[in-house]
Amino acid sequence: DAKTTQPNSMESNEEEPVHLPCNHSTISGTDYIHWYRQLPSQGPEYVIHGLTSNVNNRMASLAIAEDRKSSTLILHRATLRDAAVYYCILRDGRNTPLVFGKGTRLSVIA
Amino acid sequence: EAGVTQSPTHLIKTRGQQATLRCSPISGHTSVYWYQQALGLGLQFLLWYDEGEERNRGNFPPRFSGRQFPNYSSELNVNALELEDSALYLCASRTPQTFLDIQYFGAGTRLSVL
Repeated sequence: DAKTTQPNSMESNEEEPVHLPCNHSTISGTDYIHWYRQLPSQGPEYVIHGLTSNVNNRMASLAIAEDRKSSTLILHRATLRDAAVYYCILRDGRNTPLVFGKGTRLSVIA
Repeated sequence: EAGVTQSPTHLIKTRGQQATLRCSPISGHTSVYWYQQALGLGLQFLLWYDEGEERNRGNFPPRFSGRQFPNYSSELNVNALELEDSALYLCASRTPQTFLDIQYFGAGTRLSVL
């Protein structure tokens, strides 16, 4: 699996937008960009994924650079419940195990 | 619809004992993945079962084994427990439909080896 690079930690104030970056310079043309997050004392949960176009769902938005070498997960209004470790993972669509990096630990301050 | 369920929630064993962890996937999901999350080591892939067969295993010793039953539930067995096996063990399931590449995780079993 192609490698991703994320900042170790980020901090945000409650009710402000958060932009979580991910670099994936070796992404291949068929790799999808997936984001999962792991809340404290829980298993990871799927957040969003995309291939080339920006994507929106009820949890977040995913902005993908035109060259696809980077992407940004956007939480439009951070809440205390969004405090978690966020993982950016490249997937080629096959039924294979997820490869987790260290992710970004997001702290949300009230 | 029920999510992925794991049991027990917590398990305390002593060195040398055996541990058995169980996972029930989401209805209709045929793939089950096991991951280990040890303190400071991040999430690491352990075992993958699909349609009753072991498809792949991560870089773990043979003490870690498992199986998948005809109803697609799965069991992870850890023999000859060592202190460093203390970790959160997570199970995830996935639908066989290839375009739905999302894994759904349970809350995990926290194994403590004393």
